[in-house]
Amino acid sequence: QSALTQPRSVSGSPGQSVTISCTGSNNDVGGYHYVSWYQQLPGKAPKLIIYDVTKRPTGVPDRFSGSRSGNTASLTISGLQADDEAAYYCLSYAGNYTLGVFGGGTKLTVL
Amino acid sequence: EVQLVESGGGLVQPGWSLRLSCGASGFTFHNFAMYWVRQAPGKGLEWVASVSWNSAFIGYAASVKGRFTISRDNAKNSLYLQMNSLEPEDTALYFCAKDVDRYGQINFGLDVWGQGTPVTVS
Repeated sequence: QSALTQPRSVSGSPGQSVTISCTGSNNDVGGYHYVSWYQQLPGKAPKLIIYDVTKRPTGVPDRFSGSRSGNTASLTISGLQADDEAAYYCLSYAGNYTLGVFGGGTKLTVL
Repeated sequence: EVQLVESGGGLVQPGWSLRLSCGASGFTFHNFAMYWVRQAPGKGLEWVASVSWNSAFIGYAASVKGRFTISRDNAKNSLYLQMNSLEPEDTALYFCAKDVDRYGQINFGLDVWGQGTPVTVS
């Protein structure tokens, strides 16, 4: 259960798009359709923004989108807004019906 | 309102035990898989344990396997985490969360989170 690999930080200007990657292996990200993404503001609980690789929960703007290629999942945020500044984490199912693994987290800075 | 409320955290010495609880309201608890996730101070999120709707499937992170036990009482709408042989590395804010999948399976889409209960081992 090694942590998934995310860039430690990314940045973008308001209105731009940014993509955060989440790299794992055939045993997690690349092997199953259960990758989710979370936004965490300082001092707050995480918020689900993408699940099942590409699905958005009700209420999450369509500026947030998920995708996957091979063993790397990606979160793209388009039309960046100041309140998108937060930490973002990926989470993947890792087999055996029950196992999971998070990415190390990515700090998004809106310039 | 869908809500999860954790309790039971505190300051303990290494080697001691602690039992965390998570009370659920506003949704049909027995329909959903549940999770414990922790976050050490200034660090990222770490998955701790999962349990399916009927407790048939249970899993643990390698870092806690053999020391922690996840359980649920569907009649009481409650989730638990029994933590034994606590180590300083277990110091963290512990969150409970529910799965988005309404068929009770462990799919790792955590759509509702509590605010967490802090555990300090020192």
